[in-house]
Amino acid sequence: SQTIHQWPATLVQPVGSPLSLECTVEGTSNPNLYWYRQAAGRGLQLLFYSVGIGQISSEVPQNLSASRPQDRQFILSSKKLLLSDSGFYLCAWSAHERGYGYTFGSGTRLTVV
Amino acid sequence: GDSVTQMEGPVTLSEEAFLTINCTYTATGYPSLFWYVQYPGEGLQLLLKATKADDKGSNKGFEATYRKETTSFHLEKGSVQVSDSAVYFCALGFNAGGTSYGKLTFGQGTILTVHP
Repeated sequence: SQTIHQWPATLVQPVGSPLSLECTVEGTSNPNLYWYRQAAGRGLQLLFYSVGIGQISSEVPQNLSASRPQDRQFILSSKKLLLSDSGFYLCAWSAHERGYGYTFGSGTRLTVV
Repeated sequence: GDSVTQMEGPVTLSEEAFLTINCTYTATGYPSLFWYVQYPGEGLQLLLKATKADDKGSNKGFEATYRKETTSFHLEKGSVQVSDSAVYFCALGFNAGGTSYGKLTFGQGTILTVHP
């Protein structure tokens, strides 16, 4: 069966520090991968998506970047965090078939102080 | 562009009450429709889905029917429990092999609180 792992679960970082959040998928190959941010426990904002190794599309220009160094690994990074980067970050994957939808990771709660 | 509109929340109900959360969509084409649930502090979980008109998705007592004529996918449950308290998201999406790359368009979420 397919599983998705996301870590760390919580993170407190000072302003100006770097960030690296990792997401890995098991039990499938060539998934579509997505990073979302959720603010105020409600709306979901798509940050990045990837359809293959090294292929990254950005939905919103910002202080963050994403990389996909391996087929089932998706990394969200920042060189210098801002207070506004605080939020709940969710990784998700999808298969290449109609109606598959997303499977989400458990999320990372990031607080920038 | 594609969009999903959910009823404004929060929704507060007593245990065993009937639940309806409205969801309507606008899309170019023939999307699949989804309901996701998010419990406090957790990621989103797929609750149910439907991929074509008149399909009924169901899970854990929740149901939703894909109504193409009214572009709706309303979530219903006959008798809610305290454990159903969560945020519910309606979403639409297209084939991951198409130009949308499988991206889902989400509604803004509806907070449900069920009291004993």
